[in-house]
Amino acid sequence: EAGVAQSPRYKIIEKRQSVAFWCNPISGHATLYWYQQILGQGPKLLIQFQNNGVVDDSQLPKDRFSAERLKGVDSTLKIQPAKLEDSAVYLCASSYYGGTRNNEQFFGPGTRLTVL
Amino acid sequence: AQTVTQSQPEMSVQEAETVTLSCTYDTSENNYYLFWYKQPPSRQMILVIRQEAYKQQNATENRFSVNFQKAAKSFSLKISDSQLGDTAMYFCAFIVHRGSDDKIIFGKGTRLHILP
Repeated sequence: EAGVAQSPRYKIIEKRQSVAFWCNPISGHATLYWYQQILGQGPKLLIQFQNNGVVDDSQLPKDRFSAERLKGVDSTLKIQPAKLEDSAVYLCASSYYGGTRNNEQFFGPGTRLTVL
Repeated sequence: AQTVTQSQPEMSVQEAETVTLSCTYDTSENNYYLFWYKQPPSRQMILVIRQEAYKQQNATENRFSVNFQKAAKSFSLKISDSQLGDTAMYFCAFIVHRGSDDKIIFGKGTRLHILP
């Protein structure tokens, strides 16, 4: 079974530039998560999709971050414009059904973003 | 507020020794699930072990076991016969059941070094 795919693996941009990350979840997984992991910290949930609908985006900085999952499969996360404090690893995860009470979240390898 | 605290930022043990990673959490909910995730240097996060809060019996997965003390809100991970491949960041996390969706909250992690 193929895992969660993410691209690019690394990205370096200057502040005020825009950047987009892509995630392809495991086939058949209805729920998709984007996390931000700042160095030395645990992952912080940015947004959670159930199919193509948003379940939770309470910690997404909506003035600069946006995410979509138009067809309920793959997803993109965009930052526009980027700030220095956005430097982090962005992790995508998926699970079979909404909530992980009985379903494990599977994580992708992440995208390491450096904002200069 | 729901919080997860991992009080050991970094630990080192000799190969084949047993090591215990501590985790405490705070929630007023009664229905929740606890997890330990492992993040090796390659960054792919994988689930190590999970515990349902309503179960009194401690979960065990091969060399990994937990000591779940619900009243004390403590959830420690014990790794027996540690191996070099156990070197990684370990994150304690829990999910509070909120109805139709669940939100996972991670601790800041413990960096574990297994020394040859």
